[in-house]
Amino acid sequence: SYELTQPPSLSVSPGQTATITCSGDKVGDKHTSWYQRRPGQSPVMVIYQDNKRPSGIPERFSGTNSGNTATLTISGTQAMDEAEYYCQAWDSSPLWVFGGGTKLTVL
Amino acid sequence: EVQLVESGGGLVQPGGSLRLSCATSGFTFDDFAMHWVRQAPGKGLEWVSGISYNSGNTLYAESVRGRFAVSRDNAKNSLFLQMNSLRGEDTAFYYCAKTPYSSSSGDHFDSWGPGTLVAVSS
Repeated sequence: SYELTQPPSLSVSPGQTATITCSGDKVGDKHTSWYQRRPGQSPVMVIYQDNKRPSGIPERFSGTNSGNTATLTISGTQAMDEAEYYCQAWDSSPLWVFGGGTKLTVL
Repeated sequence: EVQLVESGGGLVQPGGSLRLSCATSGFTFDDFAMHWVRQAPGKGLEWVSGISYNSGNTLYAESVRGRFAVSRDNAKNSLFLQMNSLRGEDTAFYYCAKTPYSSSSGDHFDSWGPGTLVAVSS
């Protein structure tokens, strides 16, 4: 079965850049999305189709996907960005697979 | 504003059944495919099932195929998940999720509900 691997946790200082990776075999051949989940809230999509940002999501969120790694980058990280982040890959099988999640701490 | 609200979760014994519902508002329900995604305690998200806008196509994860059945009532703007032969490993928060596509095979989920907890235990 297909698997996606994320680092369990990441800590950054306010204003720094947070880079969250999502590794999977040839994930660059799939469409990836990223979801943010703050404690006690529903997941919110922050990136879809590798690098597209939904309306209402700040420009500091960006995504890339190539080879075996998809990446979510948060530039100028703010305290409100503290949350769990999940990557998700899709292909036309169809297949939906999620990573294990990364807990981002802003301190 | 899109709203999705799950209900129907609870404690059930192994081998038992449960029916989850997802009430929706704020969008034209019968234009879009819908899915169920779950998260077991301490684990990552897992896609469970999906249904196209007109119920013409349904999809299931291998782990639930033959035990779970997804359905929708477009007249009531509602999504359902009938879960039979429940096992301990089905214990999880269950989320309904909307896609921006009519087909059940779309690549992402643009809105999620808050989830409902299903606990399978004797």
